[in-house]
Amino acid sequence: SQTIHQWPATLVQPVGSPLSLECTVEGTSNPNLYWYRQAAGRGLQLLFYSVGIGQISSEVPQNLSASRPQDRQFILSSKKLLLSDSGFYLCAWTWGSGSYEQYFGPGTRLTVT
Amino acid sequence: AQKITQTQPGMFVQEKEAVTLDCTYDTSDPSYGLFWYKQPSSGEMIFLIYQGSYDQQNATEGRYSLNFQKARKSANLVISASQLGDSAMYFCAMREGGRGSTLGRLYFGRGTQLTVWP
Repeated sequence: SQTIHQWPATLVQPVGSPLSLECTVEGTSNPNLYWYRQAAGRGLQLLFYSVGIGQISSEVPQNLSASRPQDRQFILSSKKLLLSDSGFYLCAWTWGSGSYEQYFGPGTRLTVT
Repeated sequence: AQKITQTQPGMFVQEKEAVTLDCTYDTSDPSYGLFWYKQPSSGEMIFLIYQGSYDQQNATEGRYSLNFQKARKSANLVISASQLGDSAMYFCAMREGGRGSTLGRLYFGRGTQLTVWP
């Protein structure tokens, strides 16, 4: 069966510090991968998606970036965090074709102070 | 324009009663999929049910059913026999494009907070 992991689970970082959130998927190959952010009391906003290694598409211009160094690894980064980067970050995956559901990881709760 | 609209910020239902959570969508793509996810206080997103735009029958999964009215562009979630554990945020989402689309992105509504009371 497939599982998706995210770490860390929670993170408190000062403004201006770097960020690295990691997401890995087990039990499948060549998944589509997604990073979402959820602000308090809001829906999910798509940040980045990837259909393959090294292929990243950005939905919202901001100070965040994403990378996919391996088939089942998706990393969200920032060189300098802003207060507005606080939120709940969720990684999700789906098969490239023929499947509809996205499966989500447990999420990372980021607080920028 | 919003692709997914959930007009109920909060809903309350008594245990064992049925509840309907509203969702309307906006797309010009003839092929699309509609999803409902549950998000308990722990934050994880749990997939509940899916409805394809070409599906003739309403989707059902246990106590969950999706009331799909294509002409009205609505995809309401019906939870029968509510349980205390159903208390959570519920999100409606849409994917545009048919089977084989390599993008697969979902558009989410703002969610409805459901509270089940004994």
